[in-house]
Amino acid sequence: AQTVTQSQPEMSVQEAETVTLSCTYDTSESNYYLFWYKQPPSRQMILVIRQEAYKQQNATENRFSVNFQKAAKSFSLKISDSQLGDTAMYFCAFMNYLLLGGDNNNDMRFGAGTRLTVKP
Amino acid sequence: EPEVTQTPSHQVTQMGQEVILRCVPISNHLYFYWYRQILGQKVEFLVSFYNNEISEKSEIFDDQFSVERPDGSNFTLKIRSTKLEDSAMYFCASSGQTTYSNQPQHFGDGTRLSIL
Repeated sequence: AQTVTQSQPEMSVQEAETVTLSCTYDTSESNYYLFWYKQPPSRQMILVIRQEAYKQQNATENRFSVNFQKAAKSFSLKISDSQLGDTAMYFCAFMNYLLLGGDNNNDMRFGAGTRLTVKP
Repeated sequence: EPEVTQTPSHQVTQMGQEVILRCVPISNHLYFYWYRQILGQKVEFLVSFYNNEISEKSEIFDDQFSVERPDGSNFTLKIRSTKLEDSAMYFCASSGQTTYSNQPQHFGDGTRLSIL
């Protein structure tokens, strides 16, 4: 079974600084997807960034980027120029690659989350 | 941008009662999910639904739970004989504009279920 581990329960960063959130996972699959979700105090789950395992290039979305190390099964999230609005819980998640109309093993496995606080 | 909507935002129910949580997934999505997040804990997968049947469920999703897509737009989670430990935030999600590849799961805002 796939597991996702976030070893940092809490982190803080000064506004405008850069912070990196760690995530490791365990799988025997070669094709899969990895995600970072943000959950602000409103409790919504907001997709921040995603990475396909078959792509070597690290995904980027504006101030958010990932460092995907497939061999090490590591998927860290870097937030540059941190803003107060980045304060939230961040969940790393894993999902198996789904083939044509497949109907199994497509659930999302979440890590326990890292609570990030951006300080003014 | 289309979004997943969940109602109600907060549901308060007496222990032992049945509760139905409602979700309207994004209209052209094919895969539907329920997740649970007990306060302060990680988000847990409950069940996935595809082609009008359950495709996968976790050990949490026992006989107390059921899901249904009654009318082609709503996706409901029913919890029978609610217990105190069912108190949690329940998230609905949907994905899959096509069947050819995974799409990210788009989450609703959640329903906070409080069992008294």
